[in-house]
Amino acid sequence: SYELTQPLSVSVALGQTARITCGGNNIGGKNVHWYQQKPGQAPVLVIYRDYNRPSGIPERFSGSNSGNTATLTISRAQAGDEADYYCHVWDIHVVFGGGTKLTVL
Amino acid sequence: EVQLVESGGGLVQPGGSLRLSCAASGFTFSSYEMNWVRQAPGKGLEWLSHITSASGTIYYADSVKGRFTISRDNAKNSLFLQMNSLRAEDTAVYYCARGGVYFDFWGQGTLVTVSS
Repeated sequence: SYELTQPLSVSVALGQTARITCGGNNIGGKNVHWYQQKPGQAPVLVIYRDYNRPSGIPERFSGSNSGNTATLTISRAQAGDEADYYCHVWDIHVVFGGGTKLTVL
Repeated sequence: EVQLVESGGGLVQPGGSLRLSCAASGFTFSSYEMNWVRQAPGKGLEWLSHITSASGTIYYADSVKGRFTISRDNAKNSLFLQMNSLRAEDTAVYYCARGGVYFDFWGQGTLVTVSS
């Protein structure tokens, strides 16, 4: 079965750029979606189809996907960006990455 | 405003059953594919099941196939998950989520605890 690999944690200084990766075999050939989940809350879609932002998601959030790695980039990181982030693809079925905890220092 | 509200969670003994519901509003429910996703305490997201708009196609994760059944009632704007033969490892918050390729709206979840 298809697997997605994310780092358990990523730290970023306030105002700097955070990059969260999602690795998978030839993931560049799939559509990747990203969700943000804050403690005690439901997930929120932040990027769909590799790089598209839903309405209401700040331009600071961007995505890319190539080869074996998809990346969620958060520019000018804010304290409010602290959350768990999950990548998602469809293979035969839905696959989620294990999640990455983003800490803003 | 799109709203998804789950209900039906609670405490159940191992081997028992529960039926979860997800009430949808603010959009044309019958036009959208829907999903159930769960999250065990302190763990990541686990997709469980997907149903197309007219219930023509249904998928299940291997972990729940044969035990869980997804269904929907488009006339009542509702999504369901019938869960049988529950195990301790089914303890989780269960979310309904709208979408086919990606999940653009999620409910707040309902907690299911399987314990004796």
